Amino acid sequence: NAGVMQNPRHLVRRRGQEARLRCSPMKGHSHVYWYRQLPEEGLKFMVYLQKENIIDESGMPKERFSAEFPKEGPSILRIQQVVRGDSAAYFCASQNDGGADTQYFGPGTRLTVL
Amino acid sequence: GQNIDQPTEMTATEGAIVQINCTYQTSGFNGLFWYQQHAGEAPTFLSYNVLDGLEEKGRFSSFLSRSKGYSYLLLKELQMKDSASYLCAPWGSARQLTFGSGTQLTVLP
Repeated sequence: NAGVMQNPRHLVRRRGQEARLRCSPMKGHSHVYWYRQLPEEGLKFMVYLQKENIIDESGMPKERFSAEFPKEGPSILRIQQVVRGDSAAYFCASQNDGGADTQYFGPGTRLTVL
Repeated sequence: GQNIDQPTEMTATEGAIVQINCTYQTSGFNGLFWYQQHAGEAPTFLSYNVLDGLEEKGRFSSFLSRSKGYSYLLLKELQMKDSASYLCAPWGSARQLTFGSGTQLTVLP
């Protein structure tokens, strides 16, 4: 049973470019959460999605950031016109049920903006 | 809002016991998670407490007092590989987890 998969593991972008991060949840999981971890800081919630729906995007910046979880395929976190401050580790977590089930984390994507 | 407080750093010796405390204030409360995170890696699930009391799982145990807004993670027979950040994450009225800044544990030989 494969765990949560994220790709790429490392991503380097220049300021102004777009970053596209992918997350494939565990088999059978239909709930996905994205978290951001800045260097030397804790994990901060960004967005919570179910298949084809954004449930809670209260932690995601209103501009330049978007997320989707289509019916088929991985969840995508998209950052347009990246800036140096976007450099961070982005983790996704998947969950079977949106209730008390454990969230299982992927290995993360480390984004570096030059 | 949510407020989570845990020590920033702790140091202990191999073979010893260490207790990592966490106090929290949340909007609603459904349970509390503990995760372990090694540097540069993903958080991994350690425990989940819903009811008051101690949950034991091998070398790791977790305690919860809902009325006091308090939890601790107890690590016994410390090993070098236990050096990591330990994250307290209460689960409140929102679906997502809110993490504390984590406690960086260093295990010395």
